[in-house]
Amino acid sequence: QVQLQQSGPGLVKPSQTLSLTCAISGDSVSSSGAAWNWIRQSPSRGLEWLGRTYYRSKWHNDYAVSVKSRITINPDTSKNQFSLQLNSVTPEDTAMYFCASGDGALGHAFDIWGQGTMITVSS
Amino acid sequence: DIQMTQSPSSLSASVGDRVTITCRAGQSIAIYLNWYQQKPGKAPKLLIYAASSLQSGVPSRFSGSGSGTDFTLTISSLQPEDFAAYYCQQTYSTPSFGQGTKLEIK
Repeated sequence: QVQLQQSGPGLVKPSQTLSLTCAISGDSVSSSGAAWNWIRQSPSRGLEWLGRTYYRSKWHNDYAVSVKSRITINPDTSKNQFSLQLNSVTPEDTAMYFCASGDGALGHAFDIWGQGTMITVSS
Repeated sequence: DIQMTQSPSSLSASVGDRVTITCRAGQSIAIYLNWYQQKPGKAPKLLIYAASSLQSGVPSRFSGSGSGTDFTLTISSLQPEDFAAYYCQQTYSTPSFGQGTKLEIK
């Protein structure tokens, strides 16, 4: 059974970098059938997909246009996890952040989600 | 980005009612449409994938239909545990979500 466990600080100062990690159990970050996603949710933005990383003979990344200049998602094969870094945060980045796996066999639907991390951007 | 529009944004219904939520895509997405249920303080839960396929473990009172740009989620007989928020999502291109439908008890 695949599980995702998120970790990272809940408070980030404006202009600094938000960093979160999503540890995978029951599957491999290098799985050819999966994509590993970050999503956030706030009352003003609703559910917003941020980006993903996936392995198909080589590593690929896709990012949402809204954060493309500030975001990096990296796989860590040694620890079987993937990470999110969002630079130059502002209070508008305050949200609940989720990681999720997208299963190619399910039309890339997000079948497994992390528990969520509430991120507050404040000085 | 493909825009996803759900309606209604909120809905009041009673236990036992039949409920339908609609989702419209800004362009054709074939059947790359998924439905999620979210309860307060929890991550979304996948209910339906590929427009009409029931995710394992999801009760059969949930069903989905549609293709192209217009899709529906139907709950055939509402149960108390079904009162929650529902979201559609397209995975035809980089993923995007609808704004959600809050299903409340009448």
